[in-house]
Amino acid sequence: DGGITQSPKYLFRKEGQNVTLSCEQNLNHDAMYWYRQDPGQGLRLIYYSQIVNDFQKGDIAEGYSVSREKKESFPLTVTSAQKNPTAFYLCASSTGRTNSPLHFGNGTRLTVT
Amino acid sequence: GESVGLHLPTLSVQEGDNSIINCAYSNSASDYFIWYKQESGKGPQFIIDIRSNMDKRQGQRVTVLLNKTVKHLSLQIAATQPGDSAVYFCAENRDNAGNMLTFGGGTRLMVKP
Repeated sequence: DGGITQSPKYLFRKEGQNVTLSCEQNLNHDAMYWYRQDPGQGLRLIYYSQIVNDFQKGDIAEGYSVSREKKESFPLTVTSAQKNPTAFYLCASSTGRTNSPLHFGNGTRLTVT
Repeated sequence: GESVGLHLPTLSVQEGDNSIINCAYSNSASDYFIWYKQESGKGPQFIIDIRSNMDKRQGQRVTVLLNKTVKHLSLQIAATQPGDSAVYFCAENRDNAGNMLTFGGGTRLMVKP
């Protein structure tokens, strides 16, 4: 089955540590995205990539970093500079064509204590 | 700034009744809208989309209505079932190029047996 796989589903880290969230897609999509979701709220865009080896900051990129070395992979690193890292992180992909829907993974819930 | 929002945070309906979830948008230039369904602990699932050159689009048990005059979007679910219980998000293409979506805050739909 084609889809987006995020791992792990739950992740726990101590404050001050960097952590990397995995996102893999086998939909052959060009574009990939990372969103953050806080309890009872909508989704906010962290970073997006429209093509391999290229990515742009979204609305809340501070404290995060990404890479796009392969078409199917778009890992997100939550650095120690992110002030409130505890959240639900969602990865998505799309064909990249204008006005086409995003397809989401099932998320990673990160808890930093 | 311009944003997508929702009228009601929680909607409770009786099983078998029709549900209507509303969404207001403020960017009159937006030309693409999507409804997503998110179940607890999962990523958003695409339900239906509509382009601004349409007023109505139907899917399986769902209908999306777009009123560009008042910048209003609605999702109608026919014969609501317990499996429809979830949070529903509307999203708009913020820049009419590529797929930069802005999400509303979500409406929780609760179906009573």
